Amino acid sequence: GESVGLHLPTLSVQEGDNSIINCAYSNSASDYFIWYKQESGKGPQFIIDIRSNMDKRQGQRVTVLLNKTVKHLSLQIAATQPGDSAVYFCAGNYGGATNKLIFGTGTLLAVQP
Amino acid sequence: DAGVIQSPRHEVTEMGQEVTLRCKPISGHNSLFWYRQTMMRGLELLIYFNNNVPIDDSGMPEDRFSAKMPNASFSTLKIQPSEPRDSAVYFCASSPRVLSNQPQHFGDGTRLSIL
Repeated sequence: GESVGLHLPTLSVQEGDNSIINCAYSNSASDYFIWYKQESGKGPQFIIDIRSNMDKRQGQRVTVLLNKTVKHLSLQIAATQPGDSAVYFCAGNYGGATNKLIFGTGTLLAVQP
Repeated sequence: DAGVIQSPRHEVTEMGQEVTLRCKPISGHNSLFWYRQTMMRGLELLIYFNNNVPIDDSGMPEDRFSAKMPNASFSTLKIQPSEPRDSAVYFCASSPRVLSNQPQHFGDGTRLSIL
């Protein structure tokens, strides 16, 4: 029979442009968020994290923005390169006495040369 | 520093056989997580350990799945008997401290195919 899989949102950008990947969360108790990058055949790789007492954090070519009011998280990648092509996942903690994470379904970033 | 190490990287076996996946967490990390990733369901947490003790196994699909962590540097995930629907990529991850909001670091997974 026909199978149905997750439909990954796809963001296609030109090399050198800036990329913005968005993530919405629903758990009000989440106070810690992480962005991961997963390349084909590899495990998710930690990119950057942010705690709820911040609304912006910068790394090398990446910036994470957190809007707790609307429960929204974004990852900005400056000067996108072909090596940035991957699936990007946001994750948030459950909050409380557990260190489990809730993962989003992922966004596929395709960088066109 | 060595990351999370998983073995084997690929496993192909016939249904009904026992499958054992292995994980070595990052040295000094106190929490270990087993995940399963499929196109249908994405990334699912199966079980996690804090200080070698299983804390939450609510994600384990059924009794055919079991996980152990005999010491701080080794964990196994076992499927017995295996079924074709168990085919997936299984990831192990570890994080530094319990309840400290530290990122989980993933291995490169075991790609399991049950024929």
